[in-house]
Amino acid sequence: QSALTQPASVSGSPGQSITISCTGTSSDVGGYNYVSWYQQHPGKAPKLMIYEVSYRPSGVSNRFSGSKSGNTASLTISGLQAEDEADYYCSSYTSSSTRVFGTGTKVTVL
Amino acid sequence: EVQLVESGGGLVQPGGSLRLSCAASGFTFNTYSMNWVRQAPGKGLEWVSYISTSSSTIYYADSVKGRFTISRDNAKNSLYLQMNSLRDEDTAVYYCARDNREGTLPDYWGQGTLVTVSS
Repeated sequence: QSALTQPASVSGSPGQSITISCTGTSSDVGGYNYVSWYQQHPGKAPKLMIYEVSYRPSGVSNRFSGSKSGNTASLTISGLQAEDEADYYCSSYTSSSTRVFGTGTKVTVL
Repeated sequence: EVQLVESGGGLVQPGGSLRLSCAASGFTFNTYSMNWVRQAPGKGLEWVSYISTSSSTIYYADSVKGRFTISRDNAKNSLYLQMNSLRDEDTAVYYCARDNREGTLPDYWGQGTLVTVSS
């Protein structure tokens, strides 16, 4: 199972919006509405930000939103804040009933 | 509050073995499937293994198949990963991660335990 493809880095100024893409195949991202997004600050454990493509867990800011089209899922962060600077990973359930993660994207707030 | 606490990491020589443990609390452990996920230094997340609530269904990543064994003890609210024939490329922080209610993807993660394979 190959890792899902994400851009290595994305940057934006405070207050701007950015979007991170996550491209897979019809055997994972395209085949299920089971895509999650995780935020990871340096030295910390990943934190769930979006589940089932577009749902936010309780306590996650509504500045974070998710969507999917075909084999590509996307995470949008609006009103970018300094605290959003972190690594972001997508993940998908697969046709083999396993899980696959994305390559990761480093978000920099300029 | 959901808590997952990993232990058992350390330095081990190539070819050696190590057993990781994950102590769960704050939720009904025997109703959630569980995973191990690892992260090599400076690298991304890699899913390692999955175990269902009753241990009846188990999956492994190809990179660890035949060398690692996942197990759980619902009476002790604990998850385990027995790692044998360790290689340099197994060096990573190993996270214990609880699946969501649907059993499809992780929702809560532990803080991780570092495994270093080196001579």
